[in-house]
Amino acid sequence: KAGVTQTPRYLIKTRGQQVTLSCSPISGHRSVSWYQQTPGQGLQFLFEYFSETQRNKGNFPGRFSGRQFSNSRSEMNVSTLELGDSALYLCASTYDRGTDTQYFGPGTRLTVL
Amino acid sequence: SQQGEEDPQALSIQEGENATMNCSYKTSINNLQWYRQNSGRGLVHLILIRSNEREKHSGRLRVTLDTSKKSSSLLITASRAADTASYFCATEGQGGSEKLVFGKGMKLTVNP
Repeated sequence: KAGVTQTPRYLIKTRGQQVTLSCSPISGHRSVSWYQQTPGQGLQFLFEYFSETQRNKGNFPGRFSGRQFSNSRSEMNVSTLELGDSALYLCASTYDRGTDTQYFGPGTRLTVL
Repeated sequence: SQQGEEDPQALSIQEGENATMNCSYKTSINNLQWYRQNSGRGLVHLILIRSNEREKHSGRLRVTLDTSKKSSSLLITASRAADTASYFCATEGQGGSEKLVFGKGMKLTVNP
């Protein structure tokens, strides 16, 4: 089975712009979770989608949003980028529960200038 | 917010030695998981231990869980240079939080 894929792998944006990141889960997996990883804050949970519905949400501002499509692929969007949004964004998929073993993608490295 | 906290934050050992990492957490859990991350890449799941289990093995990995002390340890035996990575514990809180909370991680360096 192919693993979790994320595109793009690297992204450079400037403050105020918006960005969309994509995640394709393992075939058959219905839950997709997103995490932000920074040196200062570590790995922080953004949100989880299951069957096209946001099932859980972390403590991030409304500039961070996401969605899931009927084929379980997911996108996350960050609007009005800030310097502090520079991070490695990771998505992970599981078959069912968002707390089961997570299968992570390689991440998207976002740099905001 | 982080629930799990790994200790030590960094460990440097020689190839062949054993490496032990500890994780402490604050609230009751349903399960605890350990993950590995190679430099700047995605995390790889290593092992999951449920709250009713005390010890679990997988290859060179041995995980213990002490729910009374709210702590877990990960032992890597006969370490290899390829084990150099960051290691994270993650907990699923009870009470239906339905999300994993990761610790800040521990950097293991295995010198050849």
